[in-house]
Amino acid sequence: EAQVTQNPRYLITVTGKKLTVTCSQNMNHEYMSWYRQDPGLGLRQIYYSMNVEVTDKGDVPEGYKVSRKEKRNFPLILESPSPNQTSLYFCASSSVGTHDREQYFGPGTRLTVT
Amino acid sequence: TQLLEQSPQFLSIQEGENLTVYCNSSSVFSSLQWYRQEPGEGPVLLVTVVTGGEVKKLKRLTFQFGDARKDSSLHITAAQPGDTGLYLCAGAHYQLIWGAGTKLIIKP
Repeated sequence: EAQVTQNPRYLITVTGKKLTVTCSQNMNHEYMSWYRQDPGLGLRQIYYSMNVEVTDKGDVPEGYKVSRKEKRNFPLILESPSPNQTSLYFCASSSVGTHDREQYFGPGTRLTVT
Repeated sequence: TQLLEQSPQFLSIQEGENLTVYCNSSSVFSSLQWYRQEPGEGPVLLVTVVTGGEVKKLKRLTFQFGDARKDSSLHITAAQPGDTGLYLCAGAHYQLIWGAGTKLIIKP
């Protein structure tokens, strides 16, 4: 089954404690991205990757890091989480070069930073 | 900064009624996508419209892309409780530009 998986689904942590949210896709997609979703603000892109070892900032990259060492994985790293990073996070993937670039989303990770 | 404005932000109606959700921008997009997101899940693509003036139908849902490819609408006929969810539009430019969404509740 074609899918994007994220772990963990829920995470409560404290300010300053480094964390990683994993993302993996099995569709051989070149393009992967991370979004955060906050009420009234919609989806805002954090980082994206066009292919292995190619990453770039989205609209709200501050406080986040990513890496793309393998095509299927795109982890999101919060080196020193702060309460304003409490949000619902989605990983997504798509094929590059298709006209519509349908995004396939993971189930989401709800992060709370206290 | 490109913006994609969705309206209304929230809509609660009775089962069987019709409704229209709008997605507007001052920017021209090469295509526009509509997604539905249910609680606890990620958005799922409903349709992509590509050509100005294009109309696509998905059962009781009708999607239209404006002639100038700056706006789109989603019309639902005879809404059902199963249509409840967050509807998101996304315009394709260099990157996808996302609207903030319309939260739709259909009451039985």
